[in-house]
Amino acid sequence: ETGVTQSPTHLIKTRGQQVTLRCSSQSGHNTVSWYQQALGQGPQFIFQYYREEENGRGNFPPRFSGLQFPNYSSELNVNALELDDSALYLCASSGTGGVTEAFFGQGTRLTVV
Amino acid sequence: AQSVTQPDIHITVSEGASLELRCNYSYGATPYLFWYVQSPGQGLQLLLKYFSGDTLVQGIKGFEAEFKRSQSSFNLRKPSVHWSDAAEYFCAVPPLNSGGYQKVTFGIGTKLQVIP
Repeated sequence: ETGVTQSPTHLIKTRGQQVTLRCSSQSGHNTVSWYQQALGQGPQFIFQYYREEENGRGNFPPRFSGLQFPNYSSELNVNALELDDSALYLCASSGTGGVTEAFFGQGTRLTVV
Repeated sequence: AQSVTQPDIHITVSEGASLELRCNYSYGATPYLFWYVQSPGQGLQLLLKYFSGDTLVQGIKGFEAEFKRSQSSFNLRKPSVHWSDAAEYFCAVPPLNSGGYQKVTFGIGTKLQVIP
């Protein structure tokens, strides 16, 4: 059983650029959620994907978008990067069937300059 | 909306001393409550979770937490802290109407420093 893996681990982008972050969910998990964790803050929910559909979204603008693939892996895309987008982006995967534990990846540290 | 408050941003304890990290929740009904730990440069690991039933919950790494409805609290405790416990600790709660457990609302976190 493999855990949740995210790539890349770090990256630096310039304001206005676009970025794609990737997440491979844990084996057997069909739900993926993304969180943004700014420095000194708790993680903030961005959105959740279940069976390739977005089924929940936090208070983030449309330039934050995502995809989930048939193998349940996921991408987070951010367009028109702003300095405030600098943060640790965490992916979490979980199964279904009642309340289950969400397993988090190590995160991708994004720096926007 | 449900929320959790962690009143202590930073706590320092001596190795071997006991630890209590505070968490207060705001919700009328019995919530689900979690504690997560985040070591430097790492993702989040679930320490323990409360759904219902026994109000004293045992977790991993020797941690426990007690749900107290009268105080709207879910404080995390450990009787003897080890240097490896230095990390950031997050109290969290999922929205009950979300239809999904994993849409979690986190507190701001408490950073634990352990000194020799």
